[in-house]
Amino acid sequence: DQQVKQNSPSLSVQEGRISILNCDYTNSMFDYFLWYKKYPAEGPTFLISISSIKDKNEDGRFTVFLNKSAKHLSLHIVPSQPGDSAVYFCAATDLTLGQNFVFGPGTRLSVLP
Amino acid sequence: KAGVTQTPRYLIKTRGQQVTLSCSPISGHRSVSWYQQTPGQGLQFLFEYFSETQRNKGNFPGRFSGRQFSNSRSEMNVSTLELGDSALYLCASSLETRGPGTEAFFGQGTRLTVV
Repeated sequence: DQQVKQNSPSLSVQEGRISILNCDYTNSMFDYFLWYKKYPAEGPTFLISISSIKDKNEDGRFTVFLNKSAKHLSLHIVPSQPGDSAVYFCAATDLTLGQNFVFGPGTRLSVLP
Repeated sequence: KAGVTQTPRYLIKTRGQQVTLSCSPISGHRSVSWYQQTPGQGLQFLFEYFSETQRNKGNFPGRFSGRQFSNSRSEMNVSTLELGDSALYLCASSLETRGPGTEAFFGQGTRLTVV
């Protein structure tokens, strides 16, 4: 049973427009969420995180929104750039249990020039 | 500041053999976690070590084990390799383990192929 879901396997966006990547989770004990970007044959690169005590966190072009009641989070990238093309993973954890991150299956983002 | 370093980058082993993978965390980081990435199962948590103690363990058989040394470096061992163990093994380190600001930084991984 997938505890973290990313229902869109792929997404294509025009350069300069907004990319919105979605993530849903089922475990109500999750209290910390992260987004990672991954290129082929490389490890995931940390992008941005959000604690369950917040509903929004912003870092440059990246903003993560958390809707706890819906158990949903999203990553907004504005403006999208061709270099953003990669696989994006949503991850969640219950911090009381330590570093046991549960990852979603990923969404492949293609930013078209 | 050096990132997470994993060695070797690539490895080919035969079924039945054992393998040891190494991970050096970012300086000052005391938590080291291991993940397995396969096309079918995605990124799956193997185990976490903190101050030389295993704190969390994922749902993997006992053939998968690890340890952490006093300098926070970690090794992961897989015994009696199976074809299904072919995967990208990723190590991640982090500074804090119990509060906001916990971000895991990943190494480039070790690509293990079992033939």
